[in-house]
Amino acid sequence: EDQVTQSPEALRLQEGESSSLNCSYTVSGLRGLFWYRQDPGKGPEFLFTLYSAGEEKEKERLKATLTKKESFLHITAPKPEDSATYLCANAGGTSYGKLTFGQGTILTVHP
Amino acid sequence: EPEVTQTPSHQVTQMGQEVILRCVPISNHLYFYWYRQILGQKVEFLVSFYNNEISEKSEIFDDQFSVERPDGSNFTLKIRSTKLEDSAMYFCASSESSGPQYFGPGTRLLVL
Repeated sequence: EDQVTQSPEALRLQEGESSSLNCSYTVSGLRGLFWYRQDPGKGPEFLFTLYSAGEEKEKERLKATLTKKESFLHITAPKPEDSATYLCANAGGTSYGKLTFGQGTILTVHP
Repeated sequence: EPEVTQTPSHQVTQMGQEVILRCVPISNHLYFYWYRQILGQKVEFLVSFYNNEISEKSEIFDDQFSVERPDGSNFTLKIRSTKLEDSAMYFCASSESSGPQYFGPGTRLLVL
């Protein structure tokens, strides 16, 4: 059964304090590992897709990396506007389009 | 920038009533999805839809649920007889293929 586990559940950072969020996954035949940002009361906003171990993607202060069992979302010099819940999801196995989500990491960046 | 839209943003209904949630996917997308998120819980897959038929559905998507693409732009989720536990945020998503899914803003459903 596909499983996605994210850690930590919550992370509080000072502005400029870099850190990483973790996403551990189990799936047979990964078709994609996805990172989304979700603001309170809103829909998930797509950030990155990673398809194979060793792949990296960057966007502004965010960088996503992928190994065979984990993905990391690195946040460099975060700003208060980066505060949100970050969701990880995978697609794979016998399923074609179904995304299995983790429970998310709530990131709070203090000025 | 194209986006997925959903209506209504909020829906309050009585237990046992039927509700229809509406979505307009991104225009050139061919794959459509519904997910739900109960307050404080994970986003859960309900159903995927391609070429006018259901591709996959979860255990949650029982006989009380149905989906339809009534015309070239809308994609709907119907719950025939709502239960208290159907209260959740319902998200529609669409994708071109097996790539990233783009989510709408959601419909908050409250069943009383």
